[in-house]
Amino acid sequence: SAVISQKPSRDICQRGTSLTIQCQVDSQVTMMFWYRQQPGQSLTLIATANQGSEATYESGFVIDKFPISRPNLTFSTLTVSNMSPEDSSIYLCSVANRLNVGTFGSGTRLTVV
Amino acid sequence: QKEVEQNSGPLSVPEGAIASLNCTYSDRVSQSFFWYRQYSGKSPELIMSIYSNGDKEDGRFTAQLNKASQYVSLLIRDSQPSDSATYLCAVTLIWGKLQFGAGTQVVVTP
Repeated sequence: SAVISQKPSRDICQRGTSLTIQCQVDSQVTMMFWYRQQPGQSLTLIATANQGSEATYESGFVIDKFPISRPNLTFSTLTVSNMSPEDSSIYLCSVANRLNVGTFGSGTRLTVV
Repeated sequence: QKEVEQNSGPLSVPEGAIASLNCTYSDRVSQSFFWYRQYSGKSPELIMSIYSNGDKEDGRFTAQLNKASQYVSLLIRDSQPSDSATYLCAVTLIWGKLQFGAGTQVVVTP
């Protein structure tokens, strides 16, 4: 299965600022996804990162808050914009292709102060 | 009604015993079913996937799927302290897009 690297692994940010999280895969994948895991909660899908076009967001998530890029089949970024303490979560990148689904990166632990 | 439901636990299991975890889902067109293990502070790790009715075994793990009852379970045989973790059930309606349950915390006691 694909190996996924995420950067940064953790960060502490001031409210009102933005953080961009990178997801790099060691092979080309059809689909890339971004999830959020709030403290003590399960994972919630934020959006599907589409290569060469705008991301597809799930209900409750908007592009202005979580802009996503996917310039090629191995790389994507998620930006958490205008952060508040409620954005403190673990953000996870996941990939899928025709044969495999549900491999996760190591995650980015974000704390907003 | 939550789309994927699990008992939150904690489920306390003596070392060497069988841990039984249950998951129900609401959407009948769900296609694929997954069990993840998540240690505290770590990302989820896929341990089992199952796509058709019946049982699927992989080492000490057995997944059971019953689409008519909208039910999927995970059995962990010969439970070890290293199995202590949160187990997440996930289903897909669309390939790749996972819907997770809240997770069941398993504690294996020596």
